[in-house]
Amino acid sequence: DIQMTQSPASLSASLEEIVTITCQASQDIGNWLAWYQQKPGKSPQLLIYGATSLADGVPSRFSGSRSGTQYSLKISRLQVEDIGIYYCLQAYSAPYTFGAGTKLELK
Amino acid sequence: EVQLVESGGGLVQPGRSLKLSCAASGFTFSSFAMAWVRQAPKKGLEWVATITSGGSNTYYPDSVKGRFTISRDNAKSTLYLQMDSLRSEDTATYYCAKALTGSLFDYWGQGVMVTVSS
Repeated sequence: DIQMTQSPASLSASLEEIVTITCQASQDIGNWLAWYQQKPGKSPQLLIYGATSLADGVPSRFSGSRSGTQYSLKISRLQVEDIGIYYCLQAYSAPYTFGAGTKLELK
Repeated sequence: EVQLVESGGGLVQPGRSLKLSCAASGFTFSSFAMAWVRQAPKKGLEWVATITSGGSNTYYPDSVKGRFTISRDNAKSTLYLQMDSLRSEDTATYYCAKALTGSLFDYWGQGVMVTVSS
């Protein structure tokens, strides 16, 4: 099974700050990676797919990148509505696996 | 507007069965793979099952293989999850999800709670 190691587990940042979350895949998954945001009591919302493509309606301050088997989600200027838990998902091969999540809070 | 509405959750005893449904609208249901993803209380996300657009192929992780069955009725735009031999560790919110491509999901339902307890 492919393991997705997500870091950090939690993160406290200030408004307008740059935030970066990473997922390390245990093997090559190509660009079969997505990022999701989940707010309390809500279902996950797609932010990034194909490692770097921005989903419809997602603000441009969100971006995704890839370096080998390391994938990153960057929020260029943190806004209050960005608070929540972020997950990566690999869809390269079954069983499809999520990262453990990153809880993003306001400092 | 894409809508996915789950139903069928509730409290069930260990070893019993439950069937979840997901009514889809706002897109051509028969053209997309669909999936179930679950989230135990205060825990992360776990993929549970995927079914291809025509229903001919299904995929499961080892944790539910042989106990859960995903199916679909394209004429009714409805996705199902038959859950048998339920265990306490199956307690979770179950989400129906639409595939964007492969098993990358772009839309999720609001979720339905399943509690397995005696």
